[in-house]
Amino acid sequence: QKEVEQDPGPLSVPEGAIVSLNCTYSNSAFQYFMWYRQYSRKGPELLMYTYSSGNKEDGRFTAQVDKSSKYISLFIRDSQPSDSATYLCAMTLGTGGFKTIFGAGTRLFVKA
Amino acid sequence: NAGVTQTPKFQVLKTGQSMTLQCAQDMNHEYMSWYRQDPGMGLRLIHYSVGAGITDQGEVPNGYNVSRSTTEDFPLRLLSAAPSQTSVYFCASRDKINTGELFFGEGSRLTVL
Repeated sequence: QKEVEQDPGPLSVPEGAIVSLNCTYSNSAFQYFMWYRQYSRKGPELLMYTYSSGNKEDGRFTAQVDKSSKYISLFIRDSQPSDSATYLCAMTLGTGGFKTIFGAGTRLFVKA
Repeated sequence: NAGVTQTPKFQVLKTGQSMTLQCAQDMNHEYMSWYRQDPGMGLRLIHYSVGAGITDQGEVPNGYNVSRSTTEDFPLRLLSAAPSQTSVYFCASRDKINTGELFFGEGSRLTVL
């Protein structure tokens, strides 16, 4: 079993839709939770970063962490064609966090 | 500000050949790492380094060697390439403080025939 599970999609939605992306994990020691966005043929870029359970909002993006269920989510409101990309969840252990483990990535298409 | 620079961007090898993927960063980051990305598998950690002279294995280290003689450079060596090593390789770095943000290079696409 992989430490981090993420549905690879693809997920196709119309412009303006609310998008929900999710990951589950098995290691309860994970403390830092991140979402990266990767455009085609580019390296991933950090989108959102959270440390504890709860919600964190940044513009149209909301990251949600539920440590009791070992479940994290990313919500995108008013999705735009420019949001079309692969979204990867990632997690690290505390104290140094030298191993960042990624999910498989979900490919998102937002149709105009 | 160049960030993380990887070379080459593309490479084709024959089975059994050796090669080195280069990675350099100009942000004075202590932590550097190599990932490979395959369809449906996400990014998998190959090796990482927490400073010059210090390296450790990640999830999929077999078939790869690394060394870290300077803060700036972290090359990845394939000693005897195999078709299973066909992948896109990403180098990433970050500050020693675990803020979460990894800075990635543009990737190196390797095909092993």
